[in-house]
Amino acid sequence: AQRVTQPEKLLSVFKGAPVELKCNYSYSGSPELFWYVQYSRQRLQLLLRHISRESIKGFTADLNKGETSFHLKKPFAQEEDSAMYYCALLWRTGNQFYFGTGTSLTVIP
Amino acid sequence: KAGVTQTPRYLIKTRGQQVTLSCSPISGHRSVSWYQQTPGQGLQFLFEYFSETQRNKGNFPGRFSGRQFSNSRSEMNVSTLELGDSALYLCASSPVGQPSGNTIYFGEGSWLTVV
Repeated sequence: AQRVTQPEKLLSVFKGAPVELKCNYSYSGSPELFWYVQYSRQRLQLLLRHISRESIKGFTADLNKGETSFHLKKPFAQEEDSAMYYCALLWRTGNQFYFGTGTSLTVIP
Repeated sequence: KAGVTQTPRYLIKTRGQQVTLSCSPISGHRSVSWYQQTPGQGLQFLFEYFSETQRNKGNFPGRFSGRQFSNSRSEMNVSTLELGDSALYLCASSPVGQPSGNTIYFGEGSWLTVV
């Protein structure tokens, strides 16, 4: 069965410190994984997806099939990074996303 | 280009009542999905419609239903409301038959409070 786990509900880091938001998944096929972000009072929006291997706002995420992980990383956190982050797995057969429960990131000035 | 529009944005209902939420997708988008967002469960898939047909349904009771019209607008209905139905209901649209991360767009959601 498809499943996405984000073990940390809350994460606080100081400005300028590295940040890593963890995501693990369970999926029998070839996974398509994404990170979505929701800033305060804004709609959910795509941050990045693994197939594009891009860096958005300084964030990167590498798919590790051996560890079934897709952790989100940024070397130097900024105050504007404070938001709710959701890891998501796309199940193409069912045309749906499986989301983790989210991690609320707070960057302390 | 207007984004995904959901109405109403906020509503309060009483247990046992029913509610209808509306979603207007981005112009040209034919796939509409609905998700329930709660603090404890996160985002959970409700159902997905494409060309007026429900293609997939999540693990929710039959009190949750939906439909899609010929103009791709969608509605979801929850009957016999329970306190646990209080949540943010998100609609997302996609232009293609199958969603991908860069082509699914979320609305701001409808906040439902059941008292």
